[in-house]
Amino acid sequence: NAGVTQTPKFQVLKTGQSMTLQCAQDMNHNSMYWYRQDPGMGLRLIYYSASEGTTDKGEVPNGYNVSRLNKREFSLRLESAAPSQTSVYFCASSSLDSGSSYTFGSGTRLTVV
Amino acid sequence: QKEVEQDPGPLSVPEGAIVSLNCTYSNSAFQYFMWYRQYSRKGPELLMYTYSSGNKEDGRFTAQVDKSSKYISLFIRDSQPSDSATYLCAMSAGNTPLVFGKGTRLSVIA
Repeated sequence: NAGVTQTPKFQVLKTGQSMTLQCAQDMNHNSMYWYRQDPGMGLRLIYYSASEGTTDKGEVPNGYNVSRLNKREFSLRLESAAPSQTSVYFCASSSLDSGSSYTFGSGTRLTVV
Repeated sequence: QKEVEQDPGPLSVPEGAIVSLNCTYSNSAFQYFMWYRQYSRKGPELLMYTYSSGNKEDGRFTAQVDKSSKYISLFIRDSQPSDSATYLCAMSAGNTPLVFGKGTRLSVIA
């Protein structure tokens, strides 16, 4: 019962480096989401994919790109990391049913120095 | 004004106390209301789910939604040290992503 799996769990990047955060779910969910969580700011939506083949911007998309590789996988890419992107990143998934709850991964702690 | 407002706390209570956590919102289209619990260094987990107005009870937890006042609450009875966590409210109109409150950090002291 893996649910939502995120890799890596921890990462330190230098300013300007790039990296991809991976997310996979095994619940046959249609929708997937990327959030960042910062102290005092709560969970803020970066991008989401309502269904395979579609992606949409959330509240804070600047500096990020996403790829919905297939129904199971949704990746988040930082092309040129900045210290402001230091955060904890959570991936989540849900069924397509209206008002469905989300299942979250355990998070990726990213530090950009 | 943010769509969802939640007092970040922190809130510290003695074991056995009744805890009340609250959120207000501005979007009258919201009709799905949830509470998530997040332990330190973990992802959020769904705790309570309510559709439209009314109350829902699950063990020591009760969720209330008052759509006329745009106000939701989570009550925890007989609080335990294991309830120490951050509690996030979340809501949606149904066809849009969940909007989260900032979370309230709760400590239950034995």
